[in-house]
Amino acid sequence: NAGVTQTPKFRVLKTGQSMTLLCAQDMNHEYMYWYRQDPGMGLRLIHYSVGEGTTAKGEVPDGYNVSRLKKQNFLLGLESAAPSQTSVYFCASSSGLHSQETQYFGPGTRLLVL
Amino acid sequence: AQSVTQPDIHITVSEGASLELRCNYSYGATPYLFWYVQSPGQGLQLLLKYFSGDTLVQGIKGFEAEFKRSQSSFNLRKPSVHWSDAAEYFCAGGNGGATNKLIFGTGTLLAVQP
Repeated sequence: NAGVTQTPKFRVLKTGQSMTLLCAQDMNHEYMYWYRQDPGMGLRLIHYSVGEGTTAKGEVPDGYNVSRLKKQNFLLGLESAAPSQTSVYFCASSSGLHSQETQYFGPGTRLLVL
Repeated sequence: AQSVTQPDIHITVSEGASLELRCNYSYGATPYLFWYVQSPGQGLQLLLKYFSGDTLVQGIKGFEAEFKRSQSSFNLRKPSVHWSDAAEYFCAGGNGGATNKLIFGTGTLLAVQP
């Protein structure tokens, strides 16, 4: 099992460009999450999904869109990148069977917006 | 509002010394609490979690944590630190529910001196 994988590992964008980050999990998990990590701020939830075809906003959703067309994939899109979106992005998944389920994290995507 | 606080941004300990990392939570009911570790350039790995029962929880890599309701704390401990423990440590809390969302603390960066 690969667990949770993220593509790409690193990306540099210019302001205004768009991109999509891909998260894939092979654990048949129902729940998936996108976080951003910034120095001194921990991890903040951007969007999440409780099942295929469903998405919801987290703590910091502005400037991002997501889609969950397949159960194993969760895409994070930036339509018009801004320097404030320079961050490390983590995807996570959990089974959703119990309310205290562990979230399993991917290795992260480092994004630099110039 | 629900919150998780890690008062120490950075801690340095000598190899072989004991370690305690602090975590305080603010939740209406007893939350589910987690400790994750992040090595440089890596994703987050679960060390341990608490959701009910025995308030002293054992985790991987020799770590343990104690849930203290009276102090709203969930401090992480290790009796003897190894150089490989140098990493960033995150405390997180959730209140279950249908989404299993977590709130993360801002992290504590641990440095280990030889």
